[in-house]
Amino acid sequence: AAGVIQSPRHLIKEKRETATLKCYPIPRHDTVYWYQQGPGQDPQFLISFYEKMQSDKGSIPDRFSAQQFSDYHSELNMSSLELGDSALYFCASSPGRNYEQYFGPGTRLTVT
Amino acid sequence: TQLLEQSPQFLSIQEGENLTVYCNSSSVFSSLQWYRQEPGEGPVLLVTVVTGGEVKKLKRLTFQFGDARKDSSLHITAAQPGDTGLYLCAGPNRDDKIIFGKGTRLHILP
Repeated sequence: AAGVIQSPRHLIKEKRETATLKCYPIPRHDTVYWYQQGPGQDPQFLISFYEKMQSDKGSIPDRFSAQQFSDYHSELNMSSLELGDSALYFCASSPGRNYEQYFGPGTRLTVT
Repeated sequence: TQLLEQSPQFLSIQEGENLTVYCNSSSVFSSLQWYRQEPGEGPVLLVTVVTGGEVKKLKRLTFQFGDARKDSSLHITAAQPGDTGLYLCAGPNRDDKIIFGKGTRLHILP
């Protein structure tokens, strides 16, 4: 069965640079969630989209923005990167407003 | 604010032992989901419980939803090293937003 795809899997950036993370949801899933997980932490919700519209916003810094495109893939744009942004970033998808989320393998972002 | 509190926060037991972890709230949830996350990987959905008192089994894992739908438990029988991971419970709050508990970190010693 198709799973959530995230790219890249690993990303190394320097402080003050920008990064773009991509998420391709499971086919026919129209809801996408983004999470940030620091070492030893539980996933922290950043933002979600339903049918290409932002549906909920969590602890997403103003330096970050995201959108969902017409093909339902989503991109998380991160600017003015800080050392503290180093983390695993997960994308999850679900069909409609179903509460069950299917997570991707994550993107490991390292900011040096 | 609706919260999901998971306990214990950490648990380290020997292979072959049984264990139970808990997910509690003071609020009613329409459903709860359980996920397992292995280091460096994304959480994997294990089960959804919907009906008060519901029991679901997944091999050696038994999930129960409290009668009042305010709590849930996960019981593992004869734990194996492959059960090691972070167990997360999640559910929709009254604003229909999904919230996660902070998880139980389980380590099974061979």
